[in-house]
Formats: sequence, structure tokens, C-alpha cells
Amino acid sequence: GIQVEQSPPDLILQEGANSTLRCNFSDSVNNLQWFHQNPWGQLINLFYIPSGTKQNGRLSATTVATERYSLLYISSSQTTDSGVYFCAVENNNQFYFGTGTSLTVIP
Amino acid sequence: DGGITQSPKYLFRKEGQNVTLSCEQNLNHDAMYWYRQDPGQGLRLIYYSQIVNDFQKGDIAEGYSVSREKKESFPLTVTSAQKNPTAFYLCASNRGLEDTQYFGPGTRLTVL
Repeated sequence: GIQVEQSPPDLILQEGANSTLRCNFSDSVNNLQWFHQNPWGQLINLFYIPSGTKQNGRLSATTVATERYSLLYISSSQTTDSGVYFCAVENNNQFYFGTGTSLTVIP
Repeated sequence: DGGITQSPKYLFRKEGQNVTLSCEQNLNHDAMYWYRQDPGQGLRLIYYSQIVNDFQKGDIAEGYSVSREKKESFPLTVTSAQKNPTAFYLCASNRGLEDTQYFGPGTRLTVL
């Protein structure tokens, strides 16, 4: 199956700082999504972004499909942004998740 | 409200017993998925179904079984053949492959 690598694995930020999370994938994909998993385990979809750039408030994402990577930008981070961020891709009718970036935002 | 429900939230089972996890959605989605998450890991696909009465194995289907008799429901049975069943199980749905996935709140299964 397709390999999905996320970096960094862990990130600690001061409230108000900006950050960039990266997702690399090993083959062409039809679907790419970014999720946030809260401390209770709930996964919330942030972006459906197989290519191009999207923005939603303080978050934005860019996928460069030809170079097989996607970036998630978090600006002016808040403590509520803490949690694990996952990238997931679809290839050959199956979805593959990375191992996530664990973000902690401290006040 | 539209959404995905999973029950129970916590489940304890003795070794050697089968157990069934419930997943229901009222989003009118055709496709449904079951994932397993282990501590500190990403999600791994167990089974998926793109249409009623049809389902496909994911990467880690061994020891699990599913059914899809209704569009709204996709129950997962963890059988005694699953060697390490203790995990967090998540159900998801969407309209099809090229669409956003929506997740339920999950079921934490512990085998004693």
C-alpha cells in the first residue's frame, strides 16, 4: 500500500505562534484530507484537498500532487488547537493515514 | 441532527468472546468504513463498503467480520480469532471515494 509520512511527529508551540505540518506520500492519490483528533478521540475533518490551496480561518492547506506532499499551516495558534493532526490519502479504493503530528500549544 | 453514532463508547470483553460494535449514520452516505487505532499510531483500515450488500477487506481484516444489510448501518464483529483486539475503533462514512470522510466518536474495546 501507499506510504504516508508526517513531520514533525511532535510539536510544542507558545500560544500565538505559527506552524507548518507536512505530509509526504509515496504514490499518486485521488483524495487527500487533513484531520484533527481531539483528546477524546473525535476526528474532525479540516480540509479535503487533493490539490491546490484552501483556507479556513487561521488554518490553510496546500497540496502539490505532482510532488506528492501536502502542508497544513496553523497561524496564531491557540490552546484549543492542541491534539493530533492526521493526513489521509486514498489510493486504489483504500484510505491510508499517516502516524500524525502531536501538537501542544501552551499558554 | 445528521451524523454518525457508534455504540457502546467503552466495551470490555473476555478473551475468546466475539463482540459486535455498532455504527449508524443518517447522512445518506453510500460508503462506510471501519478503522482501528492503536496508541500513538495512525488509523488502519479494517473493512469498507461502498454500497449495500457489498464490502471489501482493508489492510487488517483478519479476525474481523462485517455486514451491510442497510445503507445506514455497518456493524463490525471482532472475533476470537483477532489476536490483539484491544484498540480504539472508529467508523466513518462518505458519499464515495472522492469525498470528505466523516467520523463517529469511536468505541474503546478492552479485552481482559
